Amino acid sequence: SYELTQPPSVSVSPGQTARITCSGDALPKQNAYWYQQKPGQAPVLVIYKDTERPSGIPERFSGSSSGTTVTLTISGVQAEDEADYYCQSADSSGTWVFGGGTKLTVL
Amino acid sequence: EVQLVESGGGLVKPGGSLRLSCAASGFTFSNAWMSWVRQAPGKGLEWVGRIKSKTDGGTTDYAAPVKGRFTISRDDSKNTLYLQMNSLKTEDTAVYYCTTSGIWGQGTRVTASS
Repeated sequence: SYELTQPPSVSVSPGQTARITCSGDALPKQNAYWYQQKPGQAPVLVIYKDTERPSGIPERFSGSSSGTTVTLTISGVQAEDEADYYCQSADSSGTWVFGGGTKLTVL
Repeated sequence: EVQLVESGGGLVKPGGSLRLSCAASGFTFSNAWMSWVRQAPGKGLEWVGRIKSKTDGGTTDYAAPVKGRFTISRDDSKNTLYLQMNSLKTEDTAVYYCTTSGIWGQGTRVTASS
């Protein structure tokens, strides 16, 4: 079955840049989406179609794509950005797949 | 306001059944492809399945762990999505979310336990 691979954890100090990667063989052909989830809350979409940012999401969130890897970049990390982040894409049949999630810790 | 509100969760014995509902508002529900996603305690997000809009055929797809036990349906006249869960297993214990186009509900908790 198709898998998306994320690092389990990323740690950064406030004001630094956090980069969270997501790797999968189908990513060159399928769009990727990124969700932020804080404890006890529903996921929130922060990036769609690899690089697009929904309205209301701060500009410090950006997405990029290169080959089989997509990257969520958070520039000037703030304490409120501490959360779990999930990438999501689809396989060739359109079935959704989620990465295992990355816990972002703001030191 | 765009909103999804799930309901119907609860405690059920293994082997039992439960039907979840997701009430949509603030957008054209009949045009939306709707998905269910679940999250087991302390675990990541897991896609459960999807139903397309009737315009696009209204067909359903399911993740392997639930195929044959869960059924997704929709009532466009009521702007409501459903998830019928049969033959529940302990491993189905999770918070269940409905979602479309980046919109998520708050989730409803299902516990399958004796």
